[in-house]
Amino acid sequence: AQSVAQPEDQVNVAEGNPLTVKCTYSVSGNPYLFWYVQYPNRGLQFLLKYITGDNLVKGSYGFEAEFNKSQTSFHLKKPSALVSDSALYFCAVRVTNTGGFKTIFGAGTRLFVKA
Amino acid sequence: DSGVTQTPKHLITATGQRVTLRCSPRSGDLSVYWYQQSLDQGLQFLIQYYNGEERAKGNILERFSAQQFPDLHSELNLSSLELGDSALYFCASSGGGSMNTEAFFGQGTRLTVV
Repeated sequence: AQSVAQPEDQVNVAEGNPLTVKCTYSVSGNPYLFWYVQYPNRGLQFLLKYITGDNLVKGSYGFEAEFNKSQTSFHLKKPSALVSDSALYFCAVRVTNTGGFKTIFGAGTRLFVKA
Repeated sequence: DSGVTQTPKHLITATGQRVTLRCSPRSGDLSVYWYQQSLDQGLQFLIQYYNGEERAKGNILERFSAQQFPDLHSELNLSSLELGDSALYFCASSGGGSMNTEAFFGQGTRLTVV
């Protein structure tokens, strides 16, 4: 079955330290991978995507993600965390579905950045 | 602001009732998606429309239905509501029918069934 896993419900990091939010996926064929962020009482906001090409993808707000085909992972990273990065992060994979496609989201990882 | 507009923002209704949620996609976007977000189920894909036609279906209950109109706005109809239908319902849109385009989400409609 096609799926996305975010193994950590919560990640805690101190401001200024690097952060990593983990994501692994299981799909048939080439994966289309996305990261979204959700702030309280808001919709999801697109951060970055991997379709093809360089394994390191750069996105909004200083975030980047590394695609690793052998490990089927797409971890989100940032070199220096900010308190304002505290939010709920979703990894997602897009798969074909009966003539169209659908996006499967992970369960989400809550990031807390402490000042 | 994502450019995707959802109305209403909040809705409180009783069990057994029917409600309609509305979504206006970003200007020019042909694809509309509906998602349900609840604490126990996470973010679940419900259905996708592309230029008025249903494209993909996810975990959508038979009591729920959706449509996309010629002006590309979409409505999600929820009927015979149950307490468990209480959730945040998101609409998202993307430019076309391509798998590699990201979706832009509205701020959601919070449905409370009492």
